[in-house]
Amino acid sequence: DTGVSQDPRHKITKRGQNVTFRCDPISEHNRLYWYRQTLGQGPEFLTYFQNEAQLEKSRLLSDRFSAERPKGSFSTLEIQRTEQGDSAMYLCASSLDRDRDRGSPLHFGNGTRLTVT
Amino acid sequence: LAKTTQPISMDSYEGQEVNITCSHNNIATNDYITWYQQFPSQGPRFIIQGYKTKVTNEVASLFIPADRKSSTLSLPRVSLSDTAVYYCLVAPRGGSYIPTFGRGTSLIVHP
Repeated sequence: DTGVSQDPRHKITKRGQNVTFRCDPISEHNRLYWYRQTLGQGPEFLTYFQNEAQLEKSRLLSDRFSAERPKGSFSTLEIQRTEQGDSAMYLCASSLDRDRDRGSPLHFGNGTRLTVT
Repeated sequence: LAKTTQPISMDSYEGQEVNITCSHNNIATNDYITWYQQFPSQGPRFIIQGYKTKVTNEVASLFIPADRKSSTLSLPRVSLSDTAVYYCLVAPRGGSYIPTFGRGTSLIVHP
């Protein structure tokens, strides 16, 4: 179990630029989640995938955000035309959902900290 | 999903036992109770999960009364390294639910 890895760990960008983050989940995990976290708050759900299918996206999520999970393996989260309010820690998590009553807890990566100047 | 309520912050001292209680009055029959721990600049880490009575692992114990309307995470003999934010989540295990985090309980352990 190599854990969930995220790249980069830190990203500083200027307002208006596009950024892309990558998440590599635990290999046998079929679910992948993206969360965003700001100081003093708990992680806020953004979107999740079951294998390669994006099953749900937060209604609070701007159209500037898009996520993909080609082939059901790694995932990317892209933010277009970044704004200062996008500054946050972006967390990826994965889990194994075997059947309705046997899902595993979330395994999180250590996040990508985005600073928009 | 069941709404959870837990204290915003707690203070303790090294060597003490810490109990963090989470209220979840509208917990559903198929809901499990899961606790996560988060250190600064890291993602949350799963600590323990339970359905009823008591669950114990190498890190913590989870006490759940018969009515399941609350649960208590117990950390025995805390050390400075237990300073972290602790989140209580209540949801079905598996299925289409989305794990939802509140603000958690910020535990500070003092020397």
